[in-house]
Amino acid sequence: DSGVTQTPKHLITATGQRVTLRCSPRSGDLSVYWYQQSLDQGLQFLIQYYNGEERAKGNILERFSAQQFPDLHSELNLSSLELGDSALYFCASSVVGGPYGYTFGSGTRLTVV
Amino acid sequence: DQQVKQNSPSLSVQEGRISILNCDYTNSMFDYFLWYKKYPAEGPTFLISISSIKDKNEDGRFTVFLNKSAKHLSLHIVPSQPGDSAVYFCAATVYGNKLVFGAGTILRVKS
Repeated sequence: DSGVTQTPKHLITATGQRVTLRCSPRSGDLSVYWYQQSLDQGLQFLIQYYNGEERAKGNILERFSAQQFPDLHSELNLSSLELGDSALYFCASSVVGGPYGYTFGSGTRLTVV
Repeated sequence: DQQVKQNSPSLSVQEGRISILNCDYTNSMFDYFLWYKKYPAEGPTFLISISSIKDKNEDGRFTVFLNKSAKHLSLHIVPSQPGDSAVYFCAATVYGNKLVFGAGTILRVKS
């Protein structure tokens, strides 16, 4: 157990639907990062939150949004889902300013049918 | 724009031999480099890192080498063990900002 909790582990939904992925960071970590891993692709950075505020944005589609709540958990919302959104979505947390490495959760596998 | 590239999708090595995984980067501003290992159905886990002010960092069987002039780093695993079979991701960062990952290399260690 890495200390980063992601739910659900698996999600199957239809095109056009909306889903929410949840992440609880490791205790003490203020930063949350979302990454997408599609088939044969590396980890693509989506977005970072630090202590409730958006810190950095990557190649995140406009149909996707995220937020970090006062208790530091984060949610990634994916709407108007397309087949190409099927992927593994990872959340990671870190103590910004400390070691540069992240602690990853085990991911949510999203399948859009 | 792939700033971090792992050009070998897979590598197969005999148990006990050396595994060498390679990574190239294009952004000269990167100042910290990391390797992550990922098993199926798990998230990536941190393996080893190196600062741009160093050219080598060693941790047990794992050594990372950095060649800044060539913008190249490599991970050496000696001796390789079957339990090392996993996907290895190279990552880089500028001043503690977001990590930029390569596409990963699948390592298979045959017994």
